[in-house]
Amino acid sequence: AQSVTQLGSHVSVSEGALVLLRCNYSSSVPPYLFWYVQYPNQGLQLLLKYTTGATLVKGINGFEAEFKKSETSFHLTKPSAHMSDAAEYFCAVSYMEYGNKLVFGAGTILRVKS
Amino acid sequence: DGGITQSPKYLFRKEGQNVTLSCEQNLNHDAMYWYRQDPGQGLRLIYYSQIVNDFQKGDIAEGYSVSREKKESFPLTVTSAQKNPTAFYLCASSIDNGQETQYFGPGTRLLVL
Repeated sequence: AQSVTQLGSHVSVSEGALVLLRCNYSSSVPPYLFWYVQYPNQGLQLLLKYTTGATLVKGINGFEAEFKKSETSFHLTKPSAHMSDAAEYFCAVSYMEYGNKLVFGAGTILRVKS
Repeated sequence: DGGITQSPKYLFRKEGQNVTLSCEQNLNHDAMYWYRQDPGQGLRLIYYSQIVNDFQKGDIAEGYSVSREKKESFPLTVTSAQKNPTAFYLCASSIDNGQETQYFGPGTRLLVL
């Protein structure tokens, strides 16, 4: 079955430190890949997405992600965390064999310490 | 402003009661979706619609029903058959199914009295 795994339900970093949120998917066919952010009691906002082409994707708020087919990964990074980055982050994958619907990971809550 | 609106923000359901959550979009998107969010489980697809007057079940459709009579509107009814309805419900839309970006509404939190 199609699945998306986000390692670590909670990640804590200091302000100014590197942010790394991990996402792995299960598919032999390169899917479309998305990262969304959710602030408390709000909807989801798209951070970035990979469809085709360049494997390093830049998004909003200084975030970027790299698609690594050999590792079936799409990890999200940001060089320097800001207090406003504290939120829940979801990796999502669109699988062709699932009718191109989105499958979401369980989410990672990012805490930023001052 | 273009976007997706959901109402109400909070909804309370009594035992045996059906309740309807509203979702409206003015993005001229063909596809619309309903997700259920529970802590630590991510988002799970309830129903989706790719075109007016047509919709398909998602992974957890039991106890829910939808309609798509207008392109802009995709209401979700939580029926009395849904035994554990307490959750955060999110509506989304996209230009078409799957590979295009989905845009989300602000959500409705459903609580059981």
